[in-house]
Amino acid sequence: GNSVTQMEGPVTLSEEAFLTINCTYTATGYPSLFWYVQYPGEGLQLLLKATKADDKGSNKGFEATYRKETTSFHLEKGSVQVSDSAVYFCALSANAGGTSYGKLTFGQGTILTVHP
Amino acid sequence: DAGVTQSPTHLIKTRGQQVTLRCSPKSGHDTVSWYQQALGQGPQFIFQYYEEEERQRGNFPDRFSGHQFPNYSSELNVNALLLGDSALYLCASSLSPAEGTRYGYTFGSGTRLTVV
Repeated sequence: GNSVTQMEGPVTLSEEAFLTINCTYTATGYPSLFWYVQYPGEGLQLLLKATKADDKGSNKGFEATYRKETTSFHLEKGSVQVSDSAVYFCALSANAGGTSYGKLTFGQGTILTVHP
Repeated sequence: DAGVTQSPTHLIKTRGQQVTLRCSPKSGHDTVSWYQQALGQGPQFIFQYYEEEERQRGNFPDRFSGHQFPNYSSELNVNALLLGDSALYLCASSLSPAEGTRYGYTFGSGTRLTVV
């Protein structure tokens, strides 16, 4: 079945540091890939997405590139802020039909803490 | 424009009881999915409703059931509650199953269920 693996956390950075959170996936076909962010006490917000190989999703300074050859979708940001502190989830959805269609498969999440 | 709204925000129940959680999708969305997020974990897909029918289901027992109404709102029912059912329950909506699968879902803030 489909699966998503995120780098083990938590991740602690100083403000303005460079961020990378690794994400690799296993899926049949050509899934869509997502990064969701969850702030304390809140639900999930879609941060960015990519729907096909080599697509780059970007939003609020965050970027991730859909790499089919390495089955990866790593999240990066050049300069993090204290307000970026949250839990980040990598996820995929299968675009083909079958039992996986319509559902998101999430990684376990990575806690990011940014200090001033 | 209201996003996905869920009620109640918090709930405490006793083992063996039954609970009903409610979700109103984002305006214009007709597809509703439910997820269970245990503490420190990524969300797990429970099921998805479209056109008032359950279209996909994850690996959850029959104690978990749902309903979608003609106005697209949805309910999640859990019978015979167990301590392990304590979690954040998230509702997500999209314009259609295909749109959600390809471009992502809008999540609500969730209902925190505690079973004692």
